Amino acid sequence: DIQLTQSPSSLSASVGDRVTITCQASQLITNFLNWYQQKPGEAPKLLIYDASHLETGVPSRFSGSGSGTHFSFTIRSLQPEDVATYYCQHYDTPLFTFGPGTTVHIK
Amino acid sequence: QLQLRESGPGLVKPSETLSLTCTVSGGSITSNNYYWGWIRQPPGKGLEWIGNIYSRGTPYYNPSLKRRVTISIDTSKRQFSLKLRSLIAADTGIFYCARLVSESGGYYFDSWGQGTLVTVSS
Repeated sequence: DIQLTQSPSSLSASVGDRVTITCQASQLITNFLNWYQQKPGEAPKLLIYDASHLETGVPSRFSGSGSGTHFSFTIRSLQPEDVATYYCQHYDTPLFTFGPGTTVHIK
Repeated sequence: QLQLRESGPGLVKPSETLSLTCTVSGGSITSNNYYWGWIRQPPGKGLEWIGNIYSRGTPYYNPSLKRRVTISIDTSKRQFSLKLRSLIAADTGIFYCARLVSESGGYYFDSWGQGTLVTVSS
């Protein structure tokens, strides 16, 4: 089974900072890697699909990149409303795996 | 706009069976590109995929839960359901239903219900 590792597990940054989270897969997974945002007390929300495609309605400060086994998720300019836990997720026929999550705090 | 809503008991006893239903509104449950899934989240922990079902196909389950899980769909009621048997305390958590989009080889959960908290306790 493919395992997903996220780093860091948590981070604190200032408003306006550039924040990057990485997701490492234990095997090649092409570009079938998605990113979700989960704010406290809320359901997860899809932000990025297929590694780099921004979901409709999601602010452009969010972006994703990568392929193979190494993927990145970036918030270009951190905003207070971005406080959340971010999960990567992969599909490997027919199974779905979520990464352990990265919690983003504001300094 | 698509909406999904989970319903079911909030408290279930150990060894019993949990039954949850997800009702879909504002969109088709039989579209070719959509599957329907369940994901759970233990308190303070991460997300765990439980399984998916297609409107006209075979359900797929997380191997770690496969022996205890059944997912079914009733398109006439625009509902899909989860049964989780032989409950233990570790099954406590928030259960989410979600729409799974299949597009160009990729799959992603694009719409989620608000989640329902299930506590396993005697």
